[in-house]
Amino acid sequence: GAVVSQHPSWVICKSGTSVKIECRSLDFQATTMFWYRQFPKQSLMLMATSNEGSKATYEQGVEKDKFLINHASLTLSTLTVTSAHPEDSSFYICSATSGSGQPQHFGDGTRLSIL
Amino acid sequence: AQSVTQLGSHVSVSEGALVLLRCNYSSSVPPYLFWYVQYPNQGLQLLLKYTSAATLVKGINGFEAEFKKSETSFHLTKPSAHMSDAAEYFCAASRMDTGRRALTFGSGTRLQVQP
Repeated sequence: GAVVSQHPSWVICKSGTSVKIECRSLDFQATTMFWYRQFPKQSLMLMATSNEGSKATYEQGVEKDKFLINHASLTLSTLTVTSAHPEDSSFYICSATSGSGQPQHFGDGTRLSIL
Repeated sequence: AQSVTQLGSHVSVSEGALVLLRCNYSSSVPPYLFWYVQYPNQGLQLLLKYTSAATLVKGINGFEAEFKKSETSFHLTKPSAHMSDAAEYFCAASRMDTGRRALTFGSGTRLQVQP
């Protein structure tokens, strides 16, 4: 089945640093990738939609300058949390789909802890 | 606007008992509907999906769901619960007619299976 790899799975860093999270589709071409954020014991909230080769579409309330998304190829999207602060600590999950009508396949998530 | 409601944040059943997790959607156009399962510190795994074909959808691990337009529901069932079914379950919807493929998630239901 379709596999999406997300790396790293867990990262701890100091406040003020930037952190990059990678999302790769291993066995299919992902025309669209999505980035979600999940707070403890809560549901997933869409942050942005990323189409290969174009700028990401951010949801209302998500700072595009803080959460930089790059989707340079059909198999890789990256989310960079810039100048991270403790309130950015969360579980970030990416998903990828090969096209319209196709299901999203999720990565295993990245737990980000900002000290 | 589209929304997904999951009734019951926690459901507890005995091993071997029927599992019923409820999901209702709110949308002017019947969306595509999905059920995902999430184990601790992991991403989401697709259980099944409804994409306007058969209203009774069979998924993995013995789960199935029935789309009922008149009730705007897509409840998830399994005849006999297994200990390994204990997890968080999310119902989700997407609006294919608008081209917006991002998923709107319900708040999730935590399933506990008692021995």
